[in-house]
Amino acid sequence: AQKITQTQPGMFVQEKEAVTLDCTYDTSDPSYGLFWYKQPSSGEMIFLIYQGSYDQQNATEGRYSLNFQKARKSANLVISASQLGDSAMYFCAMREGGRGANNLFFGTGTRLTVIP
Amino acid sequence: GAGVSQSPRYKVAKRGQDVALRCDPISGHVSLFWYQQALGQGPEFLTYFQNEAQLDKSGLPSDRFFAERPEGSVSTLKIQRTQQEDSAVYLCASSVRIFGAGGGEQYFGPGTRLTVT
Repeated sequence: AQKITQTQPGMFVQEKEAVTLDCTYDTSDPSYGLFWYKQPSSGEMIFLIYQGSYDQQNATEGRYSLNFQKARKSANLVISASQLGDSAMYFCAMREGGRGANNLFFGTGTRLTVIP
Repeated sequence: GAGVSQSPRYKVAKRGQDVALRCDPISGHVSLFWYQQALGQGPEFLTYFQNEAQLDKSGLPSDRFFAERPEGSVSTLKIQRTQQEDSAVYLCASSVRIFGAGGGEQYFGPGTRLTVT
C-alpha cells in the first residue's frame, strides 16, 4: 500500500483565492511526522510546513496551513491568498517515528497553477 | 546562509560509464539523505548518513550504487556502469536533527539531473 496518496494530479486556482491540496497517509506507527514541500520548475524542494502526529493544533506557517485530521489520516495543505509564484509541484511526505526510520516517503505530487 | 549545494547540476553519461555526484550539506547538519526522483514522480529514498556513518542504504536499487561521506560533511553518490533506467534527478537533503528523534525538516539541494544515453 502507498504510504502517501495525493489524488489530484493538477489543480487550478484564481489569484488571491484559497486552495486545498489533498493528502492521505497510511501508517501503523503512532509516532510520525507529515511534511509539505514545494518544487518549482527549478527543481529544488522547498520545505513549507510540518505536522507531528502528537501535535494538538494544526500547523500554520504564514499563508500555509495544514488541515490535520488524524482519524481520517489526512493532512491537506491549505494555501490562502494564492500568488502567481505559488505555481509549482507540491509534495506531501511522511516520516515514521519508529526506530531506524529516517527517510521521507513522498506522494506523487500535485501541480498547482495559479491563474491571474 | 548557504543551503545544500550539489554538483554537477546536469550530467550526461553514456551507458556503461561511471558517474560521481557530489553533495555539500548545510554546515553543521548531522543527517544527510540521497533521493532519486524519476520524471513525474515524487522522490524516493536511497540512503542515509548520520555524520560519516551510513546507517541505512535500503533504498539503493542495486550494487552499482555506492555512497560515502568520509568526513561527515561532503557526500558522494557513485553509480557504476550506468544504465538507462538510472536517468533521474538525484536529490541530496540534510537536516540538523538526529533521527528518530521526531520532527526535523530536511533541506534539499537543487539536484543533479542524470541522463544516460
